[in-house]
Amino acid sequence: EIVLTQSPVTLSLSPGERATLSCRASQIFTTGFLAWFQQKPGLAPRLLIYGASARATGVPDRFSGSGSGTDFTLTISRVEPEDFAIYYCQHYVSSPYTFGQGTKLEIK
Amino acid sequence: EVRLVQSGAEVRQPGATVKVSCSVSGYTFTAYYIHWVKLAPGKGLEWMGLVDPEDGETKYAEEFQGRVTINADTSTDTAYLELTSLRFEDTAIYYCTTWAYSGYQRDDYWGQGTQVTVS
Repeated sequence: EIVLTQSPVTLSLSPGERATLSCRASQIFTTGFLAWFQQKPGLAPRLLIYGASARATGVPDRFSGSGSGTDFTLTISRVEPEDFAIYYCQHYVSSPYTFGQGTKLEIK
Repeated sequence: EVRLVQSGAEVRQPGATVKVSCSVSGYTFTAYYIHWVKLAPGKGLEWMGLVDPEDGETKYAEEFQGRVTINADTSTDTAYLELTSLRFEDTAIYYCTTWAYSGYQRDDYWGQGTQVTVS
């Protein structure tokens, strides 16, 4: 089973600042099958990034994904008020398709 | 328009069984897997398992193995999540989701979530 570890657990930023969220895998990915989701209270998770770096349909270009091997990053170039939420990475290399434990992006 | 519509909230006693449905429309039901994801209060997202509606093949997370059954009814385009021997820690919102691929592009569709309360 691939274990994903996200850091930091909580990220406190002001609107307009740059957010960098990390996701580290316990095994090397050769396929880049890593996705990022945004979760807000009362709503279903929203796919932001798939294939480590491809933006999902309708996702603003301030969101970007990068990384390979075991280290992946979600970057929000300039945080908007609507971006404060919890972010999860998930791999889809093989079952079980585990999630990281999440990073909470909160208003500073 | 792709839609995944889940059944309503459920309340069960410990030890009971719950079955949640996910009715799909807007695409060919057998084209993509259906996954189930758990979101418990104060916890993170947890992948539970999947079903391939085309042949009924399933995969489950080890944590739920033995208590969970996921299946798909192609006559009604509906997927089901059944969880037995319910515990207080099964109190959560359960989501169905499908990952729709068109070439390399992936689009995810999610149900609205079903609240299951064990008390």
